[in-house]
Amino acid sequence: QKEVEQNSGPLSVPEGAIASLNCTYSDRVSQSFFWYRQYSGKSPELIMSIYSNGDKEDGRFTAQLNKASQYVSLLIRDSQPSDSATYLCVVEGDSSYKLIFGSGTRLLVRP
Amino acid sequence: EADIYQTPRYLVIGTGKKITLECSQTMGHDKMYWYQQDPGMELHLIHYSYGVNSTEKGDLSSESTVSRIRTEHFPLTLESARPSHTSQYLCASSERGSTNEKLFFGSGTQLSVL
Repeated sequence: QKEVEQNSGPLSVPEGAIASLNCTYSDRVSQSFFWYRQYSGKSPELIMSIYSNGDKEDGRFTAQLNKASQYVSLLIRDSQPSDSATYLCVVEGDSSYKLIFGSGTRLLVRP
Repeated sequence: EADIYQTPRYLVIGTGKKITLECSQTMGHDKMYWYQQDPGMELHLIHYSYGVNSTEKGDLSSESTVSRIRTEHFPLTLESARPSHTSQYLCASSERGSTNEKLFFGSGTQLSVL
């Protein structure tokens, strides 16, 4: 079983819709969770971090964390074609250097 | 915009060659990392450093080596490249002591070994 699981997609949504990206992780002691966005042929960039159960909002992005269920999600409201990218779920492992990357979910926003 | 630079951007070489992938950052970050990523796959940590003269192997077995003689510079060397080394190599850095482990990535080196 992979340590961080994501559906590879592609997840296709129309422009203006809400895109919901999901991630599960296996290490119960993980405390820090991140979402990175990676455009095709580019490097990842951090878009959200979350450390506590519940929701964290930043503009059109909302990260949700449920540690009991070992589940992290990212909601993108009012999706734009420029949001089309691969979204990587990243979980901090058992030491501060160890960031475990999921393989990513490819999001396609149709104009 | 992140001030972390990788060269070369693309490299095509023959089997058996020695190569060095360069990575430099101007942010004064103590932590630096090398990741390997194949298309559609996860990033895998191959080396990391917490500061000058500190280097450690990551989770993915790698035949490469790294050095950290200066804070800003973290080169990765392959003594004898093989086709199995063909991949994208990403360098990243972050601030020591930050609870928000924000990684700044370079633009990557796409390596092809023939």
